[in-house]
Amino acid sequence: GEDVEQSLFLSVREGDSSVINCTYTDSSSTYLYWYKQEPGAGLQLLTYIFSNMDMKQDQRLTVLLNKKDKHLSLRIADTQTGDSAIYFCAERQAGANNLFFGTGTRLTVIP
Amino acid sequence: DAGITQSPRYKITETGRQVTLMCHQTWSHSYMFWYRQDLGHGLRLIYYSAAADITDKGEVPDGYVVSRSKTENFPLTLESATRSQTSVYFCASSESTRGVGDEQFFGPGTRLTVL
Repeated sequence: GEDVEQSLFLSVREGDSSVINCTYTDSSSTYLYWYKQEPGAGLQLLTYIFSNMDMKQDQRLTVLLNKKDKHLSLRIADTQTGDSAIYFCAERQAGANNLFFGTGTRLTVIP
Repeated sequence: DAGITQSPRYKITETGRQVTLMCHQTWSHSYMFWYRQDLGHGLRLIYYSAAADITDKGEVPDGYVVSRSKTENFPLTLESATRSQTSVYFCASSESTRGVGDEQFFGPGTRLTVL
């Protein structure tokens, strides 16, 4: 599979913004996703972006896509303790049925 | 229960034993997936299925067997468990894999320990 890379850990203070970064290698990616995994649970889709977009905003979440650099980011505004979780980026390549996931970033929000 | 469920939630077994992890979804989704989650690797696809009786290998299929005789069930079998198969296993399903409607819904996971 293609490499999808993320930093493993991120800590922020409550109320600050969090930015979680992801790099991918397949230029044919059609959709890119952000999933959230809370402790002891499965993954839940947070948001997604089409590859022909460069930004998507959904309440406190902002997704930025730089196709040239193959870089995806998730910004969480006004981060809360309930945002503490592991965040995975994932890509769907053209013609593929499955997703390729990154390693996940563990976000810790400090009160 | 509505949604996607996995059983057991926790399993301890010994090297060489056969183990089957169950996955059941109530949405009649066409696609089902098995992933394993390991630290430093994220989620890696083991097998997936596009419909009943149609399965295909993912990134890490060796040592695993799947079947899909009914749309709602997608069991994963470790034929002869090894320590390297100690992991958290997630089942997922989706309505499609093309565009809108391709969101994957995940089960709660099965934590498997092979001694």
